[in-house]
Amino acid sequence: GENVEQHPSTLSVQEGDSAVIKCTYSDSASNYFPWYKQELGKRPQLIIDIRSNVGEKKDQRIAVTLNKTAKHFSLHITETQPEDSAVYFCAAYNSPMNRDDKIIFGKGTRLHILP
Amino acid sequence: DGGITQSPKYLFRKEGQNVTLSCEQNLNHDAMYWYRQDPGQGLRLIYYSQIVNDFQKGDIAEGYSVSREKKESFPLTVTSAQKNPTAFYLCASSTTSGWSYEQYFGPGTRLTVT
Repeated sequence: GENVEQHPSTLSVQEGDSAVIKCTYSDSASNYFPWYKQELGKRPQLIIDIRSNVGEKKDQRIAVTLNKTAKHFSLHITETQPEDSAVYFCAAYNSPMNRDDKIIFGKGTRLHILP
Repeated sequence: DGGITQSPKYLFRKEGQNVTLSCEQNLNHDAMYWYRQDPGQGLRLIYYSQIVNDFQKGDIAEGYSVSREKKESFPLTVTSAQKNPTAFYLCASSTTSGWSYEQYFGPGTRLTVT
């Protein structure tokens, strides 16, 4: 079945350094790739998303790149700050969804920003 | 707080009992979703609905049931057939048109079954 692999499961970086989280997906019909951030005890919130007709998108310190041929996409956080510490989830699905489409999330990456 | 609410925040039930989790949204979103979150497992889709009176199974629908009688409401029933119901349950909603299909999540319900 469809699958989204997310790596690494845990990532520790020094404050100010960059962090990269990678996801691969299996369903070639996927055309929407969001990233969600979940802080401890809070609900997941969208931080950036990209559609399949775009290769890269940037929003201040965060960026997402998509390689549709290789079926992988990555989240890049530059100049990391303590408030970036959280669990990050990627997802891949076809949107708008057809009746049999599924939403598949990666298992998450716990990002620790070290002082 | 995003216009999507879940109640209660914590729920305790005895094994063998059915329990219904509430999810309401005032965002005028057509689509609503239920996820289960377990440590190290990410978010797993239980059911979703893109329109009133219609819903589809996600990856882990066994032991759960839903209804979508109103656009604003998408309750989830955890039945006694669910083998391991203790988990954190998240409801979400989204539009079904436009460019972004951002999902807005509720605060979650932590269910403990003993």
